[in-house]
Amino acid sequence: GAGVSQSPSNKVTEKGKDVELRCDPISGHTALYWYRQRLGQGLEFLIYFQGNSAPDKSGLPSDRFSAERTGESVSTLTIQRTQQEDSAVYLCASSSQAGGRTDTQYFGPGTRLTVL
Amino acid sequence: KNQVEQSPQSLIILEGKNCTLQCNYTVSPFSNLRWYKQDTGRGPVSLTIMTFSENTKSNGRYTATLDADTKQSSLHITASQLSDSASYICVVSEGGYNKLIFGAGTRLAVHP
Repeated sequence: GAGVSQSPSNKVTEKGKDVELRCDPISGHTALYWYRQRLGQGLEFLIYFQGNSAPDKSGLPSDRFSAERTGESVSTLTIQRTQQEDSAVYLCASSSQAGGRTDTQYFGPGTRLTVL
Repeated sequence: KNQVEQSPQSLIILEGKNCTLQCNYTVSPFSNLRWYKQDTGRGPVSLTIMTFSENTKSNGRYTATLDADTKQSSLHITASQLSDSASYICVVSEGGYNKLIFGAGTRLAVHP
């Protein structure tokens, strides 16, 4: 596809369950980012991938959060034992290179996660 | 602590009027500053990107300015349209790679 896609678009889960969110970046983009946006708040950086490695995981809020990327393409963000405070929109972005001073990040539409 | 602060928090203007949104940051080392537009329920869309050496950059009716000495930026919207109603987010890139620090955004509503 032409842009970043994410699935599912909406996810409702019960507290304590695990969820997996998927991101398909723009083909050829080596850098991939995950962000979280709570209702009415700004975006919060979670993790950044360059290729399949994650040089910066500093934004992951707890050890319940993990992410991986394979084939320098698809990435999954996994949240284990979900809590109500995890409810947010999870946004994925990709860019053609990391470290480039003016490369643009292209965002997907996000996955809205609701933990009951 | 690296921070990006935006003002005002929200703004209502009439269609056809101009407006200016402000962004102050304390991010160091500074790499670049971006303005994004985010429509409700959508991902952010890039409007402008400016590096340390750039003072102004335009994208249609959007003009961004940057004063790296005072660590301030502004986004000016000319002849506003109803479709400009959105959140405008100031984002500063920290260091040599793309770790982005996001402001909370300014929510703009353009009324007919």
